[in-house]
Amino acid sequence: DARVTQTPRHKVTEMGQEVTMRCQPILGHNTVFWYRQTMMQGLELLAYFRNRAPLDDSGMPKDRFSAEMPDATLATLKIQPSEPRDSAVYFCASGLGGVNEKLFFGSGTQLSVL
Amino acid sequence: GQQLNQSPQSMFIQEGEDVSMNCTSSSIFNTWLWYKQDPGEGPVLLIALYKAGELTSNGRLTAQFGITRKDSFLNISASIPSDVGIYFCAGQWPGNTGKLIFGQGTTLQVKP
Repeated sequence: DARVTQTPRHKVTEMGQEVTMRCQPILGHNTVFWYRQTMMQGLELLAYFRNRAPLDDSGMPKDRFSAEMPDATLATLKIQPSEPRDSAVYFCASGLGGVNEKLFFGSGTQLSVL
Repeated sequence: GQQLNQSPQSMFIQEGEDVSMNCTSSSIFNTWLWYKQDPGEGPVLLIALYKAGELTSNGRLTAQFGITRKDSFLNISASIPSDVGIYFCAGQWPGNTGKLIFGQGTTLQVKP
């Protein structure tokens, strides 16, 4: 079965360290979304791409977060420097795009910043 | 930021009962999606709705796209213990950007 692959599944780091999360979208999908999930805020949209171009990253704290798609098979989300309030589960999702979107999610990266 | 209002926030029901949850928004959407999330996993797509008034079923699940395009509901009939999880609605903005936002989720617990 085609699936979105996220690595690592778990990450524990210390405040101030750089964190890089990776996502391999489903082959042939041309939209990639990054969401952050916390108990308080639910699923927040951080950024999304179509055909590797960023369409909207207004949900992302720009001073420390960055999202890129170096190629069609890899999306990255970086936090530098990380802070305890960044602790959350980060999900990547991909889709075919267009008017009638369907998103398929990875299993997430659980990040703990101490 | 823009949010979908999903209710109820949580439900605790007896096995065999029917369940209903809904999402509303002040904005119009051109797509409504319903997802289920199990612990430690990402959300899994259950049902996709693309037209106002559309009623779609997937086994014991039925979802409808509201006529006003500002709401949607999900029904689960004859609940079973494996229905336990968090259910999310998601709405896609009209237009070319395809932005998709999620409701806060409904946590469902089923008592055998």
